[in-house]
Amino acid sequence: ETGVTQSPTHLIKTRGQQVTLRCSSQSGHNTVSWYQQALGQGPQFIFQYYREEENGRGNFPPRFSGLQFPNYSSELNVNALELDDSALYLCASSLVGSIYEQYFGPGTRLTVT
Amino acid sequence: GEDVEQSLFLSVREGDSSVINCTYTDSSSTYLYWYKQEPGAGLQLLTYIFSNMDMKQDQRLTVLLNKKDKHLSLRIADTQTGDSAIYFCAESTSGGGGNKLTFGTGTQLKVEL
Repeated sequence: ETGVTQSPTHLIKTRGQQVTLRCSSQSGHNTVSWYQQALGQGPQFIFQYYREEENGRGNFPPRFSGLQFPNYSSELNVNALELDDSALYLCASSLVGSIYEQYFGPGTRLTVT
Repeated sequence: GEDVEQSLFLSVREGDSSVINCTYTDSSSTYLYWYKQEPGAGLQLLTYIFSNMDMKQDQRLTVLLNKKDKHLSLRIADTQTGDSAIYFCAESTSGGGGNKLTFGTGTQLKVEL
């Protein structure tokens, strides 16, 4: 068991709204990454946080933003939701000394109508 | 650039070996991974290999890496019905963009009795 948890499990939002997704990293892991997985696709890297600062970003617009807290939990915020934002959002935690081992949570299924 | 490709589907009989193939393009990849995703679930890290290795074996799993051809394979010995899932190949790249994983589109493995 990886120990990475995410909430909520499922979420339905309307186009134009804002959403916050939460992730609790595995104990001792100080790096968190967020990925978007559209139906039938592989996950796409959104961004990574280390020591509460963004440490790399994929090809996602600024309306995707994040936070990492001192207890290593994190949030993904998406503003002005679009229909194409419907996806499974996955967070993955890792230890900076073992950055090659990323452990994923179960994901949050977001549906935008 | 980074691009990871996999075949979409593989069907095997229970007890046979499964071989899932992947090609990648980024020669600066440091680690290459295999993840498993069951329906409605997150990603489970199965195994990974450092880019200067040729082979790694872990119980029923064997990973082969041909760095010259940028080809990665996962062999599952004595495939069981519980192995039915989607398998993702991923490469990691680090640097200014943090340490991110680039995934293929996944190979759906179906194990038949």
